[in-house]
Amino acid sequence: GAGVSQSPRYKVAKRGQDVALRCDPISGHVSLFWYQQALGQGPEFLTYFQNEAQLDKSGLPSDRFFAERPEGSVSTLKIQRTQQEDSAVYLCASSLSYEQYFGPGTRLTVT
Amino acid sequence: AQSVTQLDSQVPVFEEAPVELRCNYSSSVSVYLFWYVQYPNQGLQLLLKYLSGSTLVKGINGFEAEFNKSQTSFHLRKPSVHISDTAEYFCALGDYGGSQGNLIFGKGTKLSVKP
Repeated sequence: GAGVSQSPRYKVAKRGQDVALRCDPISGHVSLFWYQQALGQGPEFLTYFQNEAQLDKSGLPSDRFFAERPEGSVSTLKIQRTQQEDSAVYLCASSLSYEQYFGPGTRLTVT
Repeated sequence: AQSVTQLDSQVPVFEEAPVELRCNYSSSVSVYLFWYVQYPNQGLQLLLKYLSGSTLVKGINGFEAEFNKSQTSFHLRKPSVHISDTAEYFCALGDYGGSQGNLIFGKGTKLSVKP
């Protein structure tokens, strides 16, 4: 079956622009996670949804980061007024139990 | 606080040689552990998992890992590596203690298999 998909795969933004990153989870997966992976590092947790409810957003680095999953399926991670330090790969994962299945990621470069 | 330490950032090895990638963790509650592999410009692929029960777990591509609670380790092993195993490997921890299920990752180990 189809895995987790993310779009766009690559995004270049000028500093100060807003960006929106999309995640399509595996059909039927209740849980959805966003992670940020800086160059040369492991992924770091950003936020978690169970269906449409955002149950944990403790990893979001600032109030410029906002995530939603209005119908409990597709999720969007929005970053307002992007800064250079936001450059990273943003990974989405979905889960039915404990195992998390990851998408290919969106590589964001802020210039 | 929980943490995952991958002791080697890079591991070079010759083809058909055995390899061990080390992972140690710290947690005050019961844990479950994963190993993921990441090929260039791709997402993370689940290699194997330890949730409970048998401490020796087998995964895809001939990899296996052993959960050792007393040593707080979950080292990944393969008896004979192939060129195609060249990738970055991440150890990840989740806990049964009430977190929402988000994983804590190590910094990764780059495995480089040479002919």
